[in-house]
Amino acid sequence: SAVISQKPSRDICQRGTSLTIQCQVDSQVTMMFWYRQQPGQSLTLIATANQGSEATYESGFVIDKFPISRPNLTFSTLTVSNMSPEDSSIYLCSVESRLAETQYFGPGTRLLVL
Amino acid sequence: TQLLEQSPQFLSIQEGENLTVYCNSSSVFSSLQWYRQEPGEGPVLLVTVVTGGEVKKLKRLTFQFGDARKDSSLHITAAQPGDTGLYLCAVLTGNQFYFGTGTSLTVIP
Repeated sequence: SAVISQKPSRDICQRGTSLTIQCQVDSQVTMMFWYRQQPGQSLTLIATANQGSEATYESGFVIDKFPISRPNLTFSTLTVSNMSPEDSSIYLCSVESRLAETQYFGPGTRLLVL
Repeated sequence: TQLLEQSPQFLSIQEGENLTVYCNSSSVFSSLQWYRQEPGEGPVLLVTVVTGGEVKKLKRLTFQFGDARKDSSLHITAAQPGDTGLYLCAVLTGNQFYFGTGTSLTVIP
């Protein structure tokens, strides 16, 4: 299994500002994933972050809005840029275990944009 | 359209009642997973089913994979407040996990 921590756990931000969310894993992993989730709803994949290469973004998400860094095999950041109230959501990072065929998730970052 | 449709979307029941959650698709999968997400946490894997018709039990939870491997169900017997959470089915297709639309369960003491 993998233990994942995220910072911050929650934040309230003003419109037009940016927030960087950190994700730390207790073991080295090849791929890390960033999801967005409205409370009580399913997960939407934002992007896949591979160490040493640019992140791969899903349809509807762009690098200018959600820049991602992956400086090493245990850490990644997601920035939500130029925020608007529509960006209010829960942001989750995860890693996968191909051996276990599962994903392990961080506890999430709850973002409210005013 | 969603790859995995779950029903019901919301469910509120009294403690001790039974319930069933469904996960349906028009596609065939080699395996299917169920996750539970408690408030303030990330989703956690409950079970993986891999064989058509397979039934797995996890205490009061019974998971079944459809014979055609297109759908699955989760049955909870004698629900308890600790079962409250968001239940998500998921499949691994290619290099990506796809999650169902989710079922939000509230068990009232």
